[in-house]
Amino acid sequence: AQSVAQPEDQVNVAEGNPLTVKCTYSVSGNPYLFWYVQYPNRGLQFLLKYITGDNLVKGSYGFEAEFNKSQTSFHLKKPSALVSDSALYFCAVRDDSSYKLIFGSGTRLLVRP
Amino acid sequence: DSGVTQTPKHLITATGQRVTLRCSPRSGDLSVYWYQQSLDQGLQFLIQYYNGEERAKGNILERFSAQQFPDLHSELNLSSLELGDSALYFCASSPEGRETQYFGPGTRLLVL
Repeated sequence: AQSVAQPEDQVNVAEGNPLTVKCTYSVSGNPYLFWYVQYPNRGLQFLLKYITGDNLVKGSYGFEAEFNKSQTSFHLKKPSALVSDSALYFCAVRDDSSYKLIFGSGTRLLVRP
Repeated sequence: DSGVTQTPKHLITATGQRVTLRCSPRSGDLSVYWYQQSLDQGLQFLIQYYNGEERAKGNILERFSAQQFPDLHSELNLSSLELGDSALYFCASSPEGRETQYFGPGTRLLVL
């Protein structure tokens, strides 16, 4: 069975500092990995995805993610955090047969001024 | 704005009642997914439709059903509601299924 894990419930970072939100995955075949962000009272917004190719994926709002096959990780990163980045972040893997997304438990990012 | 619309935004109802949640996918998208977000279960896949046909089923209760109409909008019907059905229900769409899913703003259901 495919799954993703987000080991941190919350990540705290100061504005201007780099941020990392962690995600590890477990899949039987090729991983198709996604990051989504959820702002309060809003839906999920797509940030980026890894299907194949470069291990460093660039996405929206200055976010990027690093795919590491040996460590089965897909960490979300941003060089300089903004207060407005504070939100709930979800990592997801796509199921190969149904194409449904299997989500992690989410990580709350808090960027303090 | 993802282009996926959901109505209503909020719904308050009583136990035992039935409600219908509506989703309009992005223009041209044939595939619609329904997800449930609750505090204890997190984000869970419920069901997928592709061009009017059910394609995949997840952790969807028998009290719940869905359909996709010829104009590609979809409805999720929840019946015999229980307190535990209180959650945020999301709809997502993609062109065919393999592509990125774009989510609507969700319908927040509160069962009293």
